[in-house]
Amino acid sequence: EIVLTQSPGTLSLSPGERATLSCRASQSVSSSYLAWYQQKPGQAPRLLIYGTSSRATGIPDRFSGSGSGTDFTLTISRLEPEDFAVYYCQQYGSSPLTFGQGTKVEIK
Amino acid sequence: EVQLLESGGGLVQPGGSLRLSCAASGFTFSSYAMSWVRQAPGKGLEWVSAISGSGSSAFYADSVKGRFTISRDNSKNTLYLQMNSLRAEDTAVYYCAKELGSTIFNWFDPWGQGTLVTVSS
Repeated sequence: EIVLTQSPGTLSLSPGERATLSCRASQSVSSSYLAWYQQKPGQAPRLLIYGTSSRATGIPDRFSGSGSGTDFTLTISRLEPEDFAVYYCQQYGSSPLTFGQGTKVEIK
Repeated sequence: EVQLLESGGGLVQPGGSLRLSCAASGFTFSSYAMSWVRQAPGKGLEWVSAISGSGSSAFYADSVKGRFTISRDNSKNTLYLQMNSLRAEDTAVYYCAKELGSTIFNWFDPWGQGTLVTVSS
């Protein structure tokens, strides 16, 4: 099983700042099969990024993904008020599918 | 518009059973694999089970293998999760989610709104 470790656990930033979220895998993720999701309180997760760096439909270009192998990053270039939420990475290269434990981006 | 609507959650005693349903609309249901993902209160996401578009292949997390069964009725555009021998640690919001195509193991988009299962005496 591939274990995904996200860091930091909580990121305290102000609107307009840049957010950099990390997702590290315990072994190489096959073909960069990594996705990122955003979840707000009381809501279902929403797909942001798939295939490491492809934005899902309707996702603003301030969200970008990068990485390969075991190290992946989600970057939010300039935080908008609606971006404060919890973010999860997920690998779908091997079974079982696994998620990271999440990074909470909170308002400083 | 793709819509997924879960139902069937509720309070059940340890050792009991429950069947969740997920009604799908807005896409050709039989052409897409589907998954169940759960989230314990205040915790992260855990993939539970997946089924191919045809229903011929199914996979489970070790934590539910032998207790849960995923199935689908493509004529009714509905996904199911039969949960038996429920434990307190199965308490969670259960989401159904659509995968990329007919084969299993992709990203999930979109997700339903979830249904809460509480296992407690």
